Amino acid sequence: GAGVSQSPSNKVTEKGKDVELRCDPISGHTALYWYRQSLGQGLEFLIYFQGNSAPDKSGLPSDRFSAERTGGSVSTLTIQRTQQEDSAVYLCASSRRGGQPQHFGDGTRLSIL
Amino acid sequence: GENVEQHPSTLSVQEGDSAVIKCTYSDSASNYFPWYKQELGKGPQLIIDIRSNVGEKKDQRIAVTLNKTAKHFSLHITETQPEDSAVYFCAASYSSNEKLTFGTGTRLTIIP
Repeated sequence: GAGVSQSPSNKVTEKGKDVELRCDPISGHTALYWYRQSLGQGLEFLIYFQGNSAPDKSGLPSDRFSAERTGGSVSTLTIQRTQQEDSAVYLCASSRRGGQPQHFGDGTRLSIL
Repeated sequence: GENVEQHPSTLSVQEGDSAVIKCTYSDSASNYFPWYKQELGKGPQLIIDIRSNVGEKKDQRIAVTLNKTAKHFSLHITETQPEDSAVYFCAASYSSNEKLTFGTGTRLTIIP
């Protein structure tokens, strides 16, 4: 009966490197969301998956950001050529289906040096 | 798109007193309003939510009220306890667009 699991919990990397963040949603939850939480911007929506498709990716800040979901379960968020402004906590949430309450993981704290 | 404003940004309350946090939203199509509690180093935890066909909802010491006409909703915590100290976020969404739009958060401190 585990909640949403995210890994790694912390990631420090050098500017220009690529990073992959992973989210394991609650079992049986078909909807999955990525958000970003930073000091200046609060909690911002990035992308929403229903099953393996992403009907709303309007929050991805640039083409350096991409996400995929396979098997209707695990999702990875990839940031290419990281910049210092990418430093933030990346949060994943899941729900039984779209429009249902979203339950969050504890996030990945990403620091770009 | 939707815009959610939240007030106050910080709130200090004596233990045992009530706390009220208020949010306003801009899009009249929004129909779902959750509240989250976030403790240091943790993800947001859903504490209560309300849909637009309901004016008020209670769960023990926590209640949420919604005024659709004025487009505002509020969180009420009664008989506050030290463990209520955290950052609280309101949010809004509508069924045709599943994403949550969050307020900027309220840091609630309960003074023993």
